[in-house]
Amino acid sequence: GAVVSQHPSWVICKSGTSVKIECRSLDFQATTMFWYRQFPKQSLMLMATSNEGSKATYEQGVEKDKFLINHASLTLSTLTVTSAHPEDSSFYICSARGLAGVSYNEQFFGPGTRLTVL
Amino acid sequence: AQSVAQPEDQVNVAEGNPLTVKCTYSVSGNPYLFWYVQYPNRGLQFLLKYITGDNLVKGSYGFEAEFNKSQTSFHLKKPSALVSDSALYFCAVRDLHGSSNTGKLIFGQGTTLQVKP
Repeated sequence: GAVVSQHPSWVICKSGTSVKIECRSLDFQATTMFWYRQFPKQSLMLMATSNEGSKATYEQGVEKDKFLINHASLTLSTLTVTSAHPEDSSFYICSARGLAGVSYNEQFFGPGTRLTVL
Repeated sequence: AQSVAQPEDQVNVAEGNPLTVKCTYSVSGNPYLFWYVQYPNRGLQFLLKYITGDNLVKGSYGFEAEFNKSQTSFHLKKPSALVSDSALYFCAVRDLHGSSNTGKLIFGQGTTLQVKP
């Protein structure tokens, strides 16, 4: 149980285009989802926290207008990188926290999405 | 402020030998502590957690960790390392502060474990 998927697993796009990444909790309802960014061999940097039905809370230094987060349902959150540039190339990972039980005290991580902006 | 430190960037161990990956934490109150493993180009996999109860926590793939309150440590251990254990390991503490208490995790910087045959 407690499986989180991400789609796509990798994406290559041209500079200036927008890219949407989906994060889904497959077998539990996720009240809270988290979006992280990770550079090679570095730790995860939390970008934002999203709660179902409300606006995301962004960490300091993360541009809200550039990284649009939507958490419209209890099983789906999306991250849209708008007007992507090469410096946005990174590994993006989502995680989800559930309503109750095991999934309440833990975060379950998706497999990540590798974004490359040319 | 709450924080987690992994003092070693890399740990090298021979296959069959015991391994330890160190983690220390700084929190106010009782910590919720986690260990995750990450293989190249993959997301994080949960290994084990400490919330309350026994200080020795057993987790996935033969890993265990000992919660030591006096030393504020939560070191990850395995009695006999496998080459397949080679990966990036993260220690994390749950941020219990803030009005929303969203369960945000604070991660250490990660430790690369290299197990050689």
